[in-house]
Amino acid sequence: EVQLVESGGGLVQPGGSLRLSCAASGYTFSNNWMTWVRQAPGKGLEWVANIKQDGSEKYYVDSVRGRFTISRDNAKNSLYLQMNSLRAEDTAVYYCARAVAAAGLDYWGQGTLVTVSS
Amino acid sequence: QSALTQPASVSGSPGQSITISCTGTSSDVGGYNYVSWYQQHPGKAPKFMIYDVSKRPSGVSNRFSGSKSGNTASLTISGLQAEDEADYYCSSYTSSSTYVFGTGTKVTVL
Repeated sequence: EVQLVESGGGLVQPGGSLRLSCAASGYTFSNNWMTWVRQAPGKGLEWVANIKQDGSEKYYVDSVRGRFTISRDNAKNSLYLQMNSLRAEDTAVYYCARAVAAAGLDYWGQGTLVTVSS
Repeated sequence: QSALTQPASVSGSPGQSITISCTGTSSDVGGYNYVSWYQQHPGKAPKFMIYDVSKRPSGVSNRFSGSKSGNTASLTISGLQAEDEADYYCSSYTSSSTYVFGTGTKVTVL
């Protein structure tokens, strides 16, 4: 059974940093692109970033480019999101999700809440 | 990277059919057949419902179907059931090699 479990969320002050992790199990992690999606409280889904199987390609939404870095460790079956220079508008539940080629996101984690506030 | 446009809400009675639209541009919806749809119940993670415009993943009811015409994709739910009440989001690949979600539609079963 495919499982994705996020961790690392919490309360951080504006300008601070946080690193999210996503532990994958139940499939060959290195076979798929992986994606981070976020959802602000009471708002819609927002695609944040994705990373190719070998980490050689990474793409970001404009609002986080230069502040967030997506990475992966295939040996540890783990996906990461390093978030720097955090802003109040980054407050959201962050989901990791497995990509099915270019077709979509077939498995999602339960999400981890990031709150940026002083 | 503007969000794709969806109606804020759609409603229908049990057994009826409803359609949710998802409008983008030639740089996303209109340019690629990589439109997907997700169902999200309150407090839950999204569920993968449709991919490649009209394909259903294993386990998804055939009451859900997708289509596309020009820059607008659509999700149709036929034989509406109480458990279909949820938020629905479309998503598309874009010319920037990124993805974009729709604004979301709340489906209410009357």
